[in-house]
Amino acid sequence: AQKITQTQPGMFVQEKEAVTLDCTYDTSDQSYGLFWYKQPSSGEMIFLIYQGSYDEQNATEGRYSLNFQKARKSANLVISASQLGDSAMYFCAMREAPYGNKLVFGAGTILRVKS
Amino acid sequence: DSGVTQTPKHLITATGQRVTLRCSPRSGDLSVYWYQQSLDQGLQFLIQYYNGEERAKGNILERFSAQQFPDLHSELNLSSLELGDSALYFCASSVGQGGPDRQETQYFGPGTRLLVL
Repeated sequence: AQKITQTQPGMFVQEKEAVTLDCTYDTSDQSYGLFWYKQPSSGEMIFLIYQGSYDEQNATEGRYSLNFQKARKSANLVISASQLGDSAMYFCAMREAPYGNKLVFGAGTILRVKS
Repeated sequence: DSGVTQTPKHLITATGQRVTLRCSPRSGDLSVYWYQQSLDQGLQFLIQYYNGEERAKGNILERFSAQQFPDLHSELNLSSLELGDSALYFCASSVGQGGPDRQETQYFGPGTRLLVL
């Protein structure tokens, strides 16, 4: 069974600084996908970024980048130039292959951006 | 706004009752997923439908059932409700049914917050 581990229950970062949220995964599949979602206090789940297991380059989406280290089975989210609006819960998730599109989620990391 | 709509936003009911949660996927999306988010279990996948057919099943209780209709909207039925069923229920949608080597991003609705008293 696939598993996602997010070891940081909570993180603080100063506004305008960069922050890294950790995610490690465990799978025996060769083909898989990794996702990060943001959940603000309002409750909705917002897709941030995707990394495929065969992607050779780290994914980037605006201020979000994914530090993908396949051999170490880690997929850390880097948020650059943090903003107050980045305060939220962040979830790392893995698509369970090969059938269907089920997502397995980690426990999440609460990020608080300080002004 | 993800384009996925869920109704109702909030639901308060009593133990033993039955409720129906409704979801409309984004325009053009054929897959619908249901997830449950609770404090003790975290975010858990319940079930996926693709173009009306069940595609994958997760930790869905026998008291729960779902279906996807020809117009692609989906309903999640929860019966014989227990206190532990109190949770945030998300619907998500994606274009296809998923598979290896394919980015099938799931876009989530705002959720239905269920409270069982």
